[in-house]
Amino acid sequence: GAVVSQHPSRVICKSGTSVKIECRSLDFQATTMFWYRQFPKKSLMLMATSNEGSKATYEQGVEKDKFLINHASLTLSTLTVTSAHPEDSSFYICSAREVAGNSYEQYFGPGTRLTVT
Amino acid sequence: LAKTTQPISMDSYEGQEVNITCSHNNIATNDYITWYQQFPSQGPRFIIQGYKTKVTNEVASLFIPADRKSSTLSLPRVSLSDTAVYYCLVGDRPRDSNYQLIWGAGTKLIIKP
Repeated sequence: GAVVSQHPSRVICKSGTSVKIECRSLDFQATTMFWYRQFPKKSLMLMATSNEGSKATYEQGVEKDKFLINHASLTLSTLTVTSAHPEDSSFYICSAREVAGNSYEQYFGPGTRLTVT
Repeated sequence: LAKTTQPISMDSYEGQEVNITCSHNNIATNDYITWYQQFPSQGPRFIIQGYKTKVTNEVASLFIPADRKSSTLSLPRVSLSDTAVYYCLVGDRPRDSNYQLIWGAGTKLIIKP
C-alpha cells in the first residue's frame, strides 16, 4: 500500500525556537496533504489542508503565522512550528491523498512527537 | 459534516469476534463510512470503507444497514495485537479535492488474554 513518511519521528526543542516537520508520500503523488495534531488520549484534530502549489487552508483557531505549511511538490509537505512554546507539545500527524485514486482513503504518516521545553 | 458516536471503550478476549458500532444519524447521501485503527504514538491505519450493505476485506467486515444511520465494524478472532483505538469517520464531498475527515473520540478496544 501507499506509504507516507514523516521526519523527524521525535523532536525536542527549546521554547522560542522553530521546528520543521516533513511529510513525504513515498510511492505516490499527493495533490492534497492534511496536517493533524493529537494531544494525549485525544482524537486527531485537523489543523490545515494543503494543496500542492497553493496556500494551505487552516481550520478555525489554528494560527497560520505560527504553523507554516509548504506543499511545494506532489510528494512533500512541510509544517514549521514557529516560536514554539510548551503548549505546542503534541503529536503531529500528516496524511496524503493520492492524485488519481477513486477511493476516499487517506494515507497517514507515522507521526512526529514534538516536545517543547 | 456528519458527526459520529461510538462507545468510548470495549473489552474482549483473544479469539473472540468483536463488533464496534458507530452512529451517524446525519449521514449525507454522498458520505462514505471509513474505519481507522490507531496504536499509541502511531498514525492511523486504514481498515475498511463502505457506502452501504456489507464490505469485507482480509482484516474486517463492515455492516451498514439500509438507512445508513449506523455501521458496525466486525473484527473476527481478535488477538492481543488488536488492542488499539478504532475510529469511525463519515466523509463529506469525497470527490472534492479538499475532502477531509472529521475525527470523533474513537473506541478504545482492549483485548485480554
